[in-house]
Amino acid sequence: QVQLQESGPGLVKPSQTLSLTCAVSGGSISSGGYSWNWIRQPPGKGLEWIGFIYYSGGTYYNPSLKSRVTISADMSKNQFSLKLTSVTAADTAVYYCARLWFGELGPVFDYWGQGTSVTVSS
Amino acid sequence: EIVLTQSPGTLSLSPGERATLSCKTSQSVSSSYLTWYQQKPGQAPRLLIYGVSRRATDIPDRFSGSGSGTDFTLTISRLEPEDFAVYYCQQYGTSPTFGPGTKVEIK
Repeated sequence: QVQLQESGPGLVKPSQTLSLTCAVSGGSISSGGYSWNWIRQPPGKGLEWIGFIYYSGGTYYNPSLKSRVTISADMSKNQFSLKLTSVTAADTAVYYCARLWFGELGPVFDYWGQGTSVTVSS
Repeated sequence: EIVLTQSPGTLSLSPGERATLSCKTSQSVSSSYLTWYQQKPGQAPRLLIYGVSRRATDIPDRFSGSGSGTDFTLTISRLEPEDFAVYYCQQYGTSPTFGPGTKVEIK
């Protein structure tokens, strides 16, 4: 059973960098056929995909956030990370990490972390 | 970017009733790339239906998905108390996007 667990500061000041880590257990992030994603959900709103890192190390970001996002991975620790720069109050959200499985019926987010709440405020 | 529209925004029903949720996409999507998730308050979304109509592991058969092109439907044949939640559709074209969600609430 794959498990994902987010960690990081719950409060970030405006204009600073938001940094989160997702620890993966029960599966290797270097295994083929999957990508490792960040998705966020502002309070009371819907889901927004942020980006992913592929098992090979390649990355792909939401065009609307691309200029501020970096996703990286530490294969030795089986974890991947999100950095979002120049944050504003609009970046306040619950941040989820999730696995995207490229199955026979298309890519699906099959495993999710429990989410971590991040508030941007001075 | 493919935009997803879900209707209704809120569905008020009683346990035992049938729920029909709609998801429309701004462009035709591969049928295989339309997915449904269920989210309960304070929880992460859970994979429900993928490939339009394939139920994920441990999802009961009262949940079914259908559709093609730009129109897709999630049906819950008889609502159980644990089914009251928010449901999101999601597509994967060049990148993943989610619909705004349909809240199924107890009438």
